[in-house]
Amino acid sequence: AQSVSQHNHHVILSEAASLELGCNYSYGGTVNLFWYVQYPGQHLQLLLKYFSGDPLVKGIKGFEAEFIKSKFSFNLRKPSVQWSDTAEYFCAVKGSNSGYALNFGKGTSLLVTP
Amino acid sequence: DADVTQTPRNRITKTGKRIMLECSQTKGHDRMYWYRQDPGLGLRLIYYSFDVKDINKGEISDGYSVSRQAQAKFSLSLESAIPNQTALYFCATSDPTEQEQFFGPGTRLTVL
Repeated sequence: AQSVSQHNHHVILSEAASLELGCNYSYGGTVNLFWYVQYPGQHLQLLLKYFSGDPLVKGIKGFEAEFIKSKFSFNLRKPSVQWSDTAEYFCAVKGSNSGYALNFGKGTSLLVTP
Repeated sequence: DADVTQTPRNRITKTGKRIMLECSQTKGHDRMYWYRQDPGLGLRLIYYSFDVKDINKGEISDGYSVSRQAQAKFSLSLESAIPNQTALYFCATSDPTEQEQFFGPGTRLTVL
């Protein structure tokens, strides 16, 4: 079955720490990959996406993600987090053979402490 | 002005009541979606529509129905609300390239 797994449900970091959030998917065929962020009390916003080309993609606010096809992974990274990065982060996958629906992971709640 | 709006933003209702959640968009997108968000479960797709005449069930459509009144409007109905439908509901839109989905602010629904 097609699935998206986010390994960390809750992460707590101090400001300036490095961040890596894991995302693995189980899909056959071509995939489009996304990271969305939901700041407290706000709607979801796109952080970055991968469709093709360079597997290292850069998004807004200093975030980046690397698509590793052999590992079915699309991990999100940021070298130095800020308090304002406190949010919930969702990995999402759209497979070429899954119709047109986005399949979201269960989310990772990130708390950055001063 | 917001591109995707949802009304109401908050609603408390009782078991057995009929509820309609409304979504409007000014992005000119043909594709619209309804999701529900539950703590620890992420977002799950309820229904989606690729144009006014196209409605499709998502992962968790049981207990819900939708109406696409126009390109800009997509409503979600709970015919007889039950407590486990208490959740945060999001509407989203996209263009056919699906480069990005644009989300509304959400409707927090509580069913007592």
